[in-house]
Formats: sequence, structure tokens, C-alpha cells
Amino acid sequence: QVQLVESGGALVKPGGSLRVSCAASGFTFSDYYMSWIRQSPEKGLEWLAYINSGGTKIYYADSVKGRFTISRDDAKNSVYLQMNSLRVEDTAVYYCAKADDNGDFFDYWGQGTLVTVSS
Amino acid sequence: DVVMTQSPLSLPVTLGQPASISCRSAQSLVYSDGKTYLSWFQQRPGQSPRRLIYKVSNRDSGVPDRFSGSGSGTDFTLKISRVEAEDIGVYYCMQGTHWPLTFGGGTKVEI
Repeated sequence: QVQLVESGGALVKPGGSLRVSCAASGFTFSDYYMSWIRQSPEKGLEWLAYINSGGTKIYYADSVKGRFTISRDDAKNSVYLQMNSLRVEDTAVYYCAKADDNGDFFDYWGQGTLVTVSS
Repeated sequence: DVVMTQSPLSLPVTLGQPASISCRSAQSLVYSDGKTYLSWFQQRPGQSPRRLIYKVSNRDSGVPDRFSGSGSGTDFTLKISRVEAEDIGVYYCMQGTHWPLTFGGGTKVEI
């Protein structure tokens, strides 16, 4: 069965960096588009970044462009989100999610990992 | 960015009765391929979101047939024909037609 397991969430100071990871299993990871989405009480669900199969096409939300980087390692069945210059407003639960066979978004989500940015 | 507006914010329901949630987009969600990429998600308390409906009206595997989606262009609806206790939670619409992808603010379904 499809599983997405996020890890790496932590308490970080403003201006700091963090990398969160998402380990996938139960499907041929290299064939699927992946995204990161976050959820906070203030902003609700917010899509952040997308990477296609092969990693040749990447999109970002304006709120994280230039600060966050999505990447994937198909050999490790994992997708990553490198977060730099973190701000208090980046505090949220971070989810990874996959697209389905037809490219429709987010048929499966992970359980989420909490990132807290605070001094 | 395409703003997705859901109503109502909160929906008190009675078990066994129907319920309906509206989602409106600020611009048409018809993509250049002629398809409309509007999805609905359910988030039960303490859980991750779960997709129920994709491309307006296609139910995901395992989703009870009491859930149905309809609409076109900029106006969409999620209907629950007879609410059950397990349907309590927050429902979100999302558009996948335009970058950046955007979600509605959510509708809380409660008894």
C-alpha cells in the first residue's frame, strides 16, 4: 500500500535552515509527481512546491520562492524540501503528497511533520 | 493566484440528512485540454487530508457513493446525500488548473 512518511520537523530560530524529508513506499516513486503542502491555523492549506518525475520541472509558491528548494532522490524513494531563511510565518505542519497516474494532484498524503520557527 | 471561496464556513448537519458545500473560483478552472481540475478533500480531526473527488465529479477509490461532486467553470458543489458520523471534519476544495495550486479556506461539517 502507498505510504508517505515525512520526517525532519523541528524547532528552528528565525533565519535558520532545515531540511524535511518524505520517504515513499508502495508505488514506483520515480514515475510520480510530488509536492509539498503546509497547513497552519492562520493560512490553512498552502501548496508550496512541485517536482515532476525526473525532476526536470519544478514550481514554487511565491511565498517560498528563493528560500525553499524541492528535490528528489529516486534511488532512495524520497523527496526533500530544503528550507532556508526561515520566518516565524513558516511555522506549520508540512505534508508531502503525490499525484495519481493521470497527474491529478494529491491522491495520497503523508502524516505531516511539524516545523516551528521561533526565537 | 486563483482565489477559491468556500461557503459556508461552518455547516451544522443532522445525521441521515443531506449536506452541500459550495466552492467558487475567481476564474475558470477549465484547462487547455478541456478538463477541469477541481478536487475535494476531507480532513477528519487529527488526520491528514484525504482526497474524495477529482476532476469535479470523479470519486476516489473507497469513497462512499453518498459523496458526489458537480459543477463547471467557476462554480462547484460537494454533496453528501445522507450524513454519517464519520463524515465530521473539514472539507476543502482545490484547483489544479493554474499555478500556483490553491485551496479553499475549508468548511467545517459538525453535528
